Formats: sequence, C-alpha cells, structure tokens
Amino acid sequence: KQEVTQIPAALSVPEGENLVLNCSFTDSAIYNLQWFRQDPGKGLTSLLLIQSSQREQTSGRLNASLDKSSGRSTLYIAASQPGDSATYLCAAGRLTGNQFYFGTGTSLTVIP
Amino acid sequence: NAGVTQTPKFQVLKTGQSMTLQCAQDMNHNSMYWYRQDPGMGLRLIYYSASEGTTDKGEVPNGYNVSRLNKREFSLRLESAAPSQTSVYFCASSEGARYLYGYTFGSGTRLTVV
Repeated sequence: KQEVTQIPAALSVPEGENLVLNCSFTDSAIYNLQWFRQDPGKGLTSLLLIQSSQREQTSGRLNASLDKSSGRSTLYIAASQPGDSATYLCAAGRLTGNQFYFGTGTSLTVIP
Repeated sequence: NAGVTQTPKFQVLKTGQSMTLQCAQDMNHNSMYWYRQDPGMGLRLIYYSASEGTTDKGEVPNGYNVSRLNKREFSLRLESAAPSQTSVYFCASSEGARYLYGYTFGSGTRLTVV
C-alpha cells in the first residue's frame, strides 16, 4: 500500500511570502501525483497533475515538482495571498491498482 | 457547468436506517470513485468503477454497496447505517483508470449517523 505523508500539518505565513509544501510517498512506482486545494466545508479542487515522466508542472503562482527516486513532491506557492488560505492535499497514484492515495493535508493560513 | 454532482449535500440518519448517495458526472469519464474523508485519516477509497458495468472494492468497503447505473451515474448505498459511517463522502471521476488522468471531485455529502 502506498503511504503518503504531508508535513507540516499546519502552516501560517505572512502575506507575500514564498512557501513550500511537502509531500512524501513510500512507493516510488507511481504513475502520477496530484495536488488539490480544499476550502473548509467544500470539495477538492485539482491544482496540478504531474505525470511520472515529468519533473514539474506550473500554473500561475504554483509550481509542483516530483522526485520519484526520493519519494517526494513539493508545491511551491509564490507571493502568497490571504485567498491562498486552505488545506492542500497531495495524492499519489500507483502503477498497479486504480486509486490515488491521499495525504492528510497541510492547512495553510496566509496572514494579511 | 460541467463536473461531478452529488446529492444530497447533508443528511442525518438514525442507526439502522438505509440511504443512497447519488453521484453523476457529465464529462464522459470512464472511471468513478467513492471516497470518505475523516479527520486525521485523509481520504480513503470505498469503491470504484473502472468502467461502465464494473465495480471493485477499495480500502474500506464494509457496510457499503455501489451501483454503476450507466456511464454517468455511480451511487453508494448504506444498507444499515452505523455511527462509524459518520463522515464526508466524496464522489470523483477520471477519464481513465490509470496513467494519464487525474481526478475531478464533487462537492461532497456530509453524513451524520446518530
């Protein structure tokens, strides 16, 4: 079974700061990794999807990287804004099986 | 807007009652999934349907049944609800079961069993 860990569980930063969220996984035989955003009481919104053959993906102020050999992915958020406050989850999909395995998330608070 | 639609959004059940959670997607996706989200546990897969006509158990299937009614719809049934099934339930879909495709999620059903 794929184990996915996100540390820290919570993070608070001042507005404008650049920050990195971490995701680690135990099984390097993944086929893709997806980052999601979840606002309180809401569903999950997909942010970035990285295929196993890729090393990174970018969307606006977000950049996600994938290093399969070390079992790590990072989500970089540039020039953070209060609207970025949410819980960020990563999910790893294995080469066998049909599901993503989710981390428990990092709760981000951006202070104005 | 295209996406995944879940009904109902909220539900309170008494122990032993039954209910069906509905999910429909309009993106012509092949695969559909049911997850539950509990505090400190992350999302865990209950059942999935890789394609129309097939269903398979996930990590936590006990106490649940599913039906892939057609390509668009995938329902989750609780036959005899228990307090341990109090959770937020999410339906998701993807274009294919593997490799290239990520998930699109519904907005969730918050279920309380008393």
